[in-house]
Amino acid sequence: GAGVSQSPRYKVTKRGQDVALRCDPISGHVSLYWYRQALGQGPEFLTYFNYEAQQDKSGLPNDRFSAERPEGSISTLTIQRTEQRDSAMYRCASSLVPGQGALEQYFGPGTRLTVT
Amino acid sequence: KQEVTQIPAALSVPEGENLVLNCSFTDSAIYNLQWFRQDPGKGLTSLLLIQSSQREQTSGRLNASLDKSSGRSTLYIAASQPGDSATYLCAVIETSGSRLTFGEGTQLTVNP
Repeated sequence: GAGVSQSPRYKVTKRGQDVALRCDPISGHVSLYWYRQALGQGPEFLTYFNYEAQQDKSGLPNDRFSAERPEGSISTLTIQRTEQRDSAMYRCASSLVPGQGALEQYFGPGTRLTVT
Repeated sequence: KQEVTQIPAALSVPEGENLVLNCSFTDSAIYNLQWFRQDPGKGLTSLLLIQSSQREQTSGRLNASLDKSSGRSTLYIAASQPGDSATYLCAVIETSGSRLTFGEGTQLTVNP
């Protein structure tokens, strides 16, 4: 079956512009996670949802970052007034059930964001 | 705060060699540990997941062990092949939540 998909795969934007990154999880997966990965480092947690409810947003770096999942499926991560330090790979993952993650998280291909 | 460390940061071996990648974590209150493979331009591929009650998991030429009390995991790759060349990431989920905390990865190169 289809895996986690993300769009766009690559995004180049000018400093100060807003960007919206989309994640389409595996069908039927309840939990959805956003991570950010800088070059040469492991991914860092940003936020996650169970169904449409945002459960933990403690990893969002500042109030320019927000995420939503209004119908409990597709999620959008929005970055307002982008800065060069926001350049990174943004990764989305999903897992089948909520709660303490006994089950695996499945990752999408990521969106490479470059802010010029 | 949980910290995950992977050693070595990079490893280059000849084809056919058996090798071990190391992962350590500071807080032993974990729910599970996952090993991932990362290829350039692609997503993270889950290789093995070990729940905290387990000691090891095996898949093909891969074997992962977990010693929760000492905060360590190893990924053993037998008879390495050039196609194994990738970055290998270790990540833990703590009992307090669902987020994965990742190490920085080991970049493996297997030379033909």
